[in-house]
Amino acid sequence: QVQLVESGGGLVKPGGSLRLSCEASGFTFTDYYMSWIRQAPGKGLEWVSYISTGGTTRKYADSVKGRFTISRDNAKNSLYLQMNSLRAEDTAVYYCARTDTNYGWSDPWGQGTLVTVSS
Amino acid sequence: QSVLTQPPSVSGAPGQRVTISCTGSSSNIGAGYDVHWYQHLPGTAPKLLIFINNNRPSGVPDRFSGSKSGTSASLAISGLQAEDEADYYCQSYDSSLSGYVFGTGTKVTVL
Repeated sequence: QVQLVESGGGLVKPGGSLRLSCEASGFTFTDYYMSWIRQAPGKGLEWVSYISTGGTTRKYADSVKGRFTISRDNAKNSLYLQMNSLRAEDTAVYYCARTDTNYGWSDPWGQGTLVTVSS
Repeated sequence: QSVLTQPPSVSGAPGQRVTISCTGSSSNIGAGYDVHWYQHLPGTAPKLLIFINNNRPSGVPDRFSGSKSGTSASLAISGLQAEDEADYYCQSYDSSLSGYVFGTGTKVTVL
């Protein structure tokens, strides 16, 4: 079955870096865009970034632009999010999600990985 | 802050019908971009409920329906059940932001 498994979350100090990974299985990875979406404690969902099938198109929310970089390795069926210059407001559960190339709906989502930015 | 506005909460008794609005603008829903809806239970992965305005993925009960008109969209839940108690989010694309946006979220409570 289609499965997405995130990893790489943890506690990091403000200004630090972290790299999230998402391993995909059960579908043809190269047929889909992939996205990262986050939810801060007590807050709603926030779209973070998406990447096209071949990786040539990458879009970011203004809140992370210039600090986060999305990438994918199609040979490994894996999605990544490199997060630099982390701030307290980046504290959230980060979900990876398979995203439709034409209409942008996301399904399924992974279980999420928690990133905590604190000194 | 989100550009798609939803009511913070709605509630209803079992069996009743509730609707959740998602109000956008001319750069997202009003520009013709499609709306998708998700159900999120705390501690679990969000689940796609409605895609492309009014389509249900397989396995989603037909008690859930979506619609879109002008700069707004709506999710309706008929025959409300206890298991429908969750947070619901709309999503669309915004051309001024050049990215996807989620609604502010609505908590549904079954009385």
